[in-house]
Amino acid sequence: ENVLTQSPGTLSLSPGERATLSCRASQSVSSSYLAWYQQKPGQAPRLLIYGASSRATGIPDRFSGSGSGTDFTLTISRLEPEDFAVYYCQQYGSSPYTFGQGTKLEIK
Amino acid sequence: QVQLVQSGAEVKKPGASVKVSCKASGYNFTMYYVHWVRQAPGQGLEWMGVINPAGGSTTYAQKFQGRVTMTRDTSTSTVYMELSSLRSEDTAVYYCVFGGGFDPWGQGTLVTVSS
Repeated sequence: ENVLTQSPGTLSLSPGERATLSCRASQSVSSSYLAWYQQKPGQAPRLLIYGASSRATGIPDRFSGSGSGTDFTLTISRLEPEDFAVYYCQQYGSSPYTFGQGTKLEIK
Repeated sequence: QVQLVQSGAEVKKPGASVKVSCKASGYNFTMYYVHWVRQAPGQGLEWMGVINPAGGSTTYAQKFQGRVTMTRDTSTSTVYMELSSLRSEDTAVYYCVFGGGFDPWGQGTLVTVSS
């Protein structure tokens, strides 16, 4: 299976700063079938990015995704208070559709 | 709009089975796959498998092979996930997810396995 490793495990930043989250796959992700999700406590995950770089409906343009092959990045250009949450990447190019272990973005 | 509504929380004893339902609305039920993902308390997301509502074919993660069964009822636009031989490690929130883009997700169903 394609193992996804996210880094860092925890990221401590202040509102207004730029956040860069990494997701590395053990095998190439076919057709850039890579998604990013945001999850807040007690809520279901929310899709942010699909196809490595396409924003889902209603997602602010401060969220952007990039990368291909085995290395992917989620960037939040200017952090808003509501952005502090846990972020997961997922590959859906080959079964099983694995998730990374998550990056917790916390307020510094 | 697409909506997935899941059944309520369950408490089961070790060795028992649980069946969680997920009722779909807002789209042609047979046109999109439905996935199941679970999340243990304080842990990450784990993909369990997927069902094609059109013909009922399924693909399961190897970890759950032999213990999980996903079915569907086209007359009610509902998919089901049954997990057997429950153990404490199966305590988790179980989500169904719309396969047309992994969004939206159901609200989640907490399954607690405890003696």
